[in-house]
Amino acid sequence: GAVVSQHPSWVICKSGTSVKIECRSLDFQATTMFWYRQFPKQSLMLMATSNEGSKATYEQGVEKDKFLINHASLTLSTLTVTSAHPEDSSFYICSAREGGQSMNTEAFFGQGTRLTVV
Amino acid sequence: AQKITQTQPGMFVQEKEAVTLDCTYDTSDPSYGLFWYKQPSSGEMIFLIYQGSYDQQNATEGRYSLNFQKARKSANLVISASQLGDSAMYFCAMKFPHNAGGTSYGKLTFGQGTILTVHP
Repeated sequence: GAVVSQHPSWVICKSGTSVKIECRSLDFQATTMFWYRQFPKQSLMLMATSNEGSKATYEQGVEKDKFLINHASLTLSTLTVTSAHPEDSSFYICSAREGGQSMNTEAFFGQGTRLTVV
Repeated sequence: AQKITQTQPGMFVQEKEAVTLDCTYDTSDPSYGLFWYKQPSSGEMIFLIYQGSYDQQNATEGRYSLNFQKARKSANLVISASQLGDSAMYFCAMKFPHNAGGTSYGKLTFGQGTILTVHP
């Protein structure tokens, strides 16, 4: 199956600083990438959808200025948590989709990033 | 509106026995896909099985089978011969065609998840 690499796998940062999370498709071109957030023992909630070369589409309630998403190439999307606060501590996970995929193609997920803001 | 529901926050099963994890969904779209994912404590999402809305047969993948009852809008996952390594969180998810109900193609909507614990 296709490989999606997410980095870093975990990060601890101080309150008020910014953190960048990378999501790379290693063996395919990801025309679309999805960013999810997950609190402990809860579901994955979609934050935004990014298409290569265009602005991300954010889900209702997600602050665009706080969670900056860039999808500048077909293999890389980044999520930057700006001015992070302890309530932003969570598990962030990306998934990538190749153009032309059919309905039955499973989503290819990165390994996820555990963010802790202290 | 599309919605997917897993009503079992936690399930326990004895090793080597079978277990059914429930999933119901609500949509008016005739075309959709249903997925089950396993998430161990490491956090990675492991794809288990897929069922398309037009598929006539229930999907099976090794020890995993999907009990698809379209009229009841349910897609329960059956794990046979449970193993200790099956202990994890399990998610049911739906995917829709492009622009169906305003959603994006490839976007997955997840249920709340079920934590499965396999006892020796």
